[in-house]
Amino acid sequence: AQSVTQLDSQVPVFEEAPVELRCNYSSSVSVYLFWYVQYPNQGLQLLLKYLSGSTLVKGINGFEAEFNKSQTSFHLRKPSVHISDTAEYFCAVSDMNRDDKIIFGKGTRLHILP
Amino acid sequence: GAVVSQHPSRVICKSGTSVKIECRSLDFQATTMFWYRQFPKQSLMLMATSNEGSKATYEQGVEKDKFLINHASLTLSTLTVTSAHPEDSSFYICRPKSQGNTEAFFGQGTRLTVV
Repeated sequence: AQSVTQLDSQVPVFEEAPVELRCNYSSSVSVYLFWYVQYPNQGLQLLLKYLSGSTLVKGINGFEAEFNKSQTSFHLRKPSVHISDTAEYFCAVSDMNRDDKIIFGKGTRLHILP
Repeated sequence: GAVVSQHPSRVICKSGTSVKIECRSLDFQATTMFWYRQFPKQSLMLMATSNEGSKATYEQGVEKDKFLINHASLTLSTLTVTSAHPEDSSFYICRPKSQGNTEAFFGQGTRLTVV
């Protein structure tokens, strides 16, 4: 079974500063990895995903993430945040051989300070 | 990306009544439908998985008689919360999936409040 750990429940960052949201996963099989963003009272929007190939994945809104197999991590980064990035961010994993169930981390609330 | 339509976005109902939530995949055929529930300040938890034309498979701790899932067509699935109670108040999100597709598209979610 897979699991996802997002250690930070909340991350405050000043506007235009860089940010990193941490995500670690555990799995006995190869996995797909995802980052989703959720704005208040809305569904999930895919930011980026890692399926295979280059370990540095670029997504929408200037976000990127790096897959590190040895550290079982998939941290999300953005070099300069904007007030509109205020949202909940979820890291997720699914079994590469059974890409049906997606397991979510508990989420990290990104709070942008003016 | 694919278009997923979930309705209603918000619903308030009285305790003891039933509520139906619809999820439609507008531009692809959803062979599988996943229903998630999200309590305030928590992550999404998978409730059940259904394949078109088959009975749903429920995760441990989810009452199948309380959360009725119908997936009669490849573009529509419904979740009915029967005899709703205040503890059923939550954010419900659907995820239709087509066979062989690694993408994950979610509905906009339904905020259910039971009073």
